[in-house]
Order: sequence, then structure tokens, then C-alpha cells
Amino acid sequence: GAVVSQHPSRVICKSGTSVKIECRSLDFQATTMFWYRQFPKQSLMLMATSNEGSKATYEQGVEKDKFLINHASLTLSTLTVTSAHPEDSSFYICSGGGNLPYEQYFGPGTRLTVT
Amino acid sequence: AQSVTQLGSHVSVSEGALVLLRCNYSSSVPPYLFWYVQYPNQGLQLLLKYTSAATLVKGINGFEAEFKKSETSFHLTKPSAHMSDAAEYFCAVSDSGGGADGLTFGKGTHLIIQP
Repeated sequence: GAVVSQHPSRVICKSGTSVKIECRSLDFQATTMFWYRQFPKQSLMLMATSNEGSKATYEQGVEKDKFLINHASLTLSTLTVTSAHPEDSSFYICSGGGNLPYEQYFGPGTRLTVT
Repeated sequence: AQSVTQLGSHVSVSEGALVLLRCNYSSSVPPYLFWYVQYPNQGLQLLLKYTSAATLVKGINGFEAEFKKSETSFHLTKPSAHMSDAAEYFCAVSDSGGGADGLTFGKGTHLIIQP
């Protein structure tokens, strides 16, 4: 149980375009979803926390107008990278938590490459 | 603010040898501690967690970790390494258990298994 999926697994986009990444909790309801960013050979950095039906809370230094997060339902959160630049190229990982004590369940990640 | 320090970005052991991955934390409140494993281009898999119950925590794949408050440590061990253990390992901390707040990750330790 407690499976989180992400779509797409890999995406390549051109500089200046926008790309949307979906995160779904398949067999549980995630009151809270988290978005992390991982640069090559580095750790995961929390970008934002989203609660269903409310605005996301962004970590310091993360541009909320660039990384748009929507948590429309208890099973779906989306991250839209707007006006993507090559420096936005990274591995984006979501996780679901909330009603599950002590644990976050992580998605498989999305590799974004901006050319 | 909470933080995690993982000593050694790379650890190499022989197959069958003891695995020891070090993690020290800082937290203003009693922490919840986690170890995750990440295989290349994949998401995170939870190995084990400490949630203020038993200080010796057993996880999956033969791994265990011991919470030592006096040393602010949560080192990960496995008695006998297997080739399939080769991966990136992350220690993480949370003040609230991880369900409602994002996790703070260490920089990771790349475990190499020598045949």
C-alpha cells in the first residue's frame, strides 16, 4: 500500500516554456503533499508543502510564481514549472503524507531537462 | 532549526562485510529520524524510522539503526553487505513525524560494495 505515482517520469522542454508534473497518491488520501528538488549527486531539498484545497507553503528561496503548485484533491497535486530555464533542470520528487503517521511516501521522481 | 550531517559522501565495503553509515542530527525537540535508500533514477524507499519508541530500530533488507540521544546520532548498520545494497542512502529528520511537515535530508552517502 501507500503508493505515489508521478507523471511524466522524464520530460525535456525548451527554455521559456512551461511544464506540468503530476503527483498522485494511488491508494491513500494525502492531506498533505510535498515537493522536493534534487540536483545531480546532491540531497533532496524541500521546495513546498501543499494541503488540499489551500495555497502551498513555499520554502525560503523558492519562487512561488515560478513553481506553481496546485493540490486540487486528496489524491492529486501538480507542480508547474513556468518559463523554464536550463538551471531548472533537476529531479523533482513528490511525497504524500498527512494521515499516515511518521511517514511520507515518495513518488519515483520526474527528471526535467530544459534545453 | 533541524539539520542532518552524514559523514562520508562515499563508503566502500566488501561483500559480506559490515556496513556502517553515519548520521548525526540536530533538533530543538525530540526528533523523528528516518533512513531512506535511493537507487539510480528512482524515488526514495523507506528503510526504517525512529519515532521515540525503541532506540534500536530494525528495518527492511537486514538494516538497523540505533538512536543515541547523548551522541545525537542515528547510524545505519547491516551485518553483512550484499551487492544489491549498492545505492545512495539518506538520513532525514523531522520535528513532527513527517506526516505534516517536510523532511530535512542529509547530503547522502553513496554505498559501494566491492565483490
